[in-house]
Amino acid sequence: GENVEQHPSTLSVQEGDSAVIKCTYSDSASNYFPWYKQELGKGPQLIIDIRSNVGEKKDQRIAVTLNKTAKHFSLHITETQPEDSAVYFCAASRNYQLIWGAGTKLIIKP
Amino acid sequence: GAGVSQSPSNKVTEKGKDVELRCDPISGHTALYWYRQSLGQGLEFLIYFQGNSAPDKSGLPSDRFSAERTGGSVSTLTIQRTQQEDSAVYLCASSFQGAGETQYFGPGTRLLVL
Repeated sequence: GENVEQHPSTLSVQEGDSAVIKCTYSDSASNYFPWYKQELGKGPQLIIDIRSNVGEKKDQRIAVTLNKTAKHFSLHITETQPEDSAVYFCAASRNYQLIWGAGTKLIIKP
Repeated sequence: GAGVSQSPSNKVTEKGKDVELRCDPISGHTALYWYRQSLGQGLEFLIYFQGNSAPDKSGLPSDRFSAERTGGSVSTLTIQRTQQEDSAVYLCASSFQGAGETQYFGPGTRLLVL
């Protein structure tokens, strides 16, 4: 079955710098790759997603890239702000069942 | 509009007791998911409901866990004879349909088994 690995587990960046979180997946049939942000005490919230027919997608300061050949995808956050501090999860699926990465705790230093 | 709601927000119970967790999905969403999240961990899939189809129960960890969805809307996750290892946050999500659709999560129920 599908397996998703996410790195790093913790990422600390200076406010205003960029942050990059990387995920790899094992099932070449996976075709949907969402990223979720989870703040303390809340449920995860979708921030951006990408499908296998697209290589890159941007939404303001957030971008996701997908390399199907290498089976990895990445989240890029530019000009980080204090409110970006949270845990970020990647996931992959080829049907209704999302397989989740273990999460990355992003810390924005003032 | 209203999002996914879950109740109770917190539940403390004694080992061996049964608990029921409730999820109200977004109106009109046909798909509903239950996940379990242990402290500092990712999400573990438990069960999936889609319309009138038979649910996918492949993620339920033991026969002490069960779930139902009445009238295609509200869902209840029941844990019988709770154990300390059941302590976790139980998250419910719904989506308009199923595959490839955005899942909208509730705030979760924090279960502590003493």
